[in-house]
Amino acid sequence: KAGVTQTPRYLIKTRGQQVTLSCSPISGHRSVSWYQQTPGQGLQFLFEYFSETQRNKGNFPGRFSGRQFSNSRSEMNVSTLELGDSALYLCASSLAIASLYQNTEAFFGQGTRLTVV
Amino acid sequence: SQQGEEDPQALSIQEGENATMNCSYKTSINNLQWYRQNSGRGLVHLILIRSNEREKHSGRLRVTLDTSKKSSSLLITASRAADTASYFCATDAVGNQFYFGTGTSLTVIP
Repeated sequence: KAGVTQTPRYLIKTRGQQVTLSCSPISGHRSVSWYQQTPGQGLQFLFEYFSETQRNKGNFPGRFSGRQFSNSRSEMNVSTLELGDSALYLCASSLAIASLYQNTEAFFGQGTRLTVV
Repeated sequence: SQQGEEDPQALSIQEGENATMNCSYKTSINNLQWYRQNSGRGLVHLILIRSNEREKHSGRLRVTLDTSKKSSSLLITASRAADTASYFCATDAVGNQFYFGTGTSLTVIP
């Protein structure tokens, strides 16, 4: 069974540009959550999608958005990139909605490392 | 601010020794989970402990939870070089947000 796949693995962008990251969950999983990891702030929750609907959202500006497709694949978009957006972006998939607080396991991808210059 | 805080921030031990790391959190939770992250890679789920549980074991891992002190500990026994990684605790909280701690960086010296 294939794991969670994130593409691309590495990305370099310039300030002001926008970027789209992709996450393919484990087959059969309908929930996809996104996290930002930086040395200073640690791991922070961005949002969660389930059945193409955003179910939960963290405290990030509107420049961060996402969507989920009917096949459960999810994309995350960051517009007007800032230097501080440089981070490892992780997605996690699970069977259930808001899985981590419903006592079910989430499986993480390897992440996309975004560098903004 | 972070819901969970791990302590210590960094830990270095010899292979074969036990490693203990602690996590403190701020609000009531439904469960607490521990994850491992190898350098710059994805997270691997280690163990979940529910708020009504006090201790849980999985292989060389032992997790305790003290809801009165809002703290948890992860014990790795008979450590191996392959255990070198960062370890995070994660909690759910009010509003169904999911929070990770700041992490403990464990180095196991062969």
